[in-house]
Amino acid sequence: EIVLTQSPATLSLSPGERATLSCRASQSISSSLTWYQQKLGQAPRLLIYDASNRATGIPARFSGSGSGTDFTLSISSLEPEDFAVYYCQQRSNWPLTFGGGTKVEIK
Amino acid sequence: QVQLQESGPGLVKPSQTLSLTCTVSGGSIRSGSYYWSWIRQPAGKGLEWIGRIYTSGTTNYNPSLKSRVTISVDTSKNQFSLKLSSVTAADTAVYYCARDRLIVGGFDYWGQGTLVTVSS
Repeated sequence: EIVLTQSPATLSLSPGERATLSCRASQSISSSLTWYQQKLGQAPRLLIYDASNRATGIPARFSGSGSGTDFTLSISSLEPEDFAVYYCQQRSNWPLTFGGGTKVEIK
Repeated sequence: QVQLQESGPGLVKPSQTLSLTCTVSGGSIRSGSYYWSWIRQPAGKGLEWIGRIYTSGTTNYNPSLKSRVTISVDTSKNQFSLKLSSVTAADTAVYYCARDRLIVGGFDYWGQGTLVTVSS
């Protein structure tokens, strides 16, 4: 099973600042990585697929990069609605697995 | 607009079988472009993929749950279902159904989630 390790666990930032979230895979997963945003009490929302492609309707301030074992989700300038928990997920190997999440909170 | 909606009992007794159904609207479950998955999330914790089914009936399960999980599809009702047997308190979670894109990946549509509590 591929383990995804997200860091940091919590990121405390102010609106307007840049957020950089990391996801590291226990073995190479090529570009088979997806990012989700989850707000309290809601289902996750698809942000980025195949490491760097924004999903339909996702603002350009969200970007993804990386391949192999190291991946990054960046939010260029945090909006109030961006404070949430972010998960990465891989589909390279069975079973599909998720990272433990990074909470982006208001500083 | 595709919508998914979970339904089923919110309370299940230990050792019994958890049964949930996901009804898909706004799109056909027969589409060959998607898998249909179940994912769960214990309170305050992360996401765990349970398994998925294709329109043909082909299934894939998480090995950690495989011995207890059955996912089935009813294309005439545009529904797919989850059965998890021999449940314990550790199976208490919000259960989501979601559409999984076959080619590019990613769960693009999710149900709102349903809380299932295992308790006597």
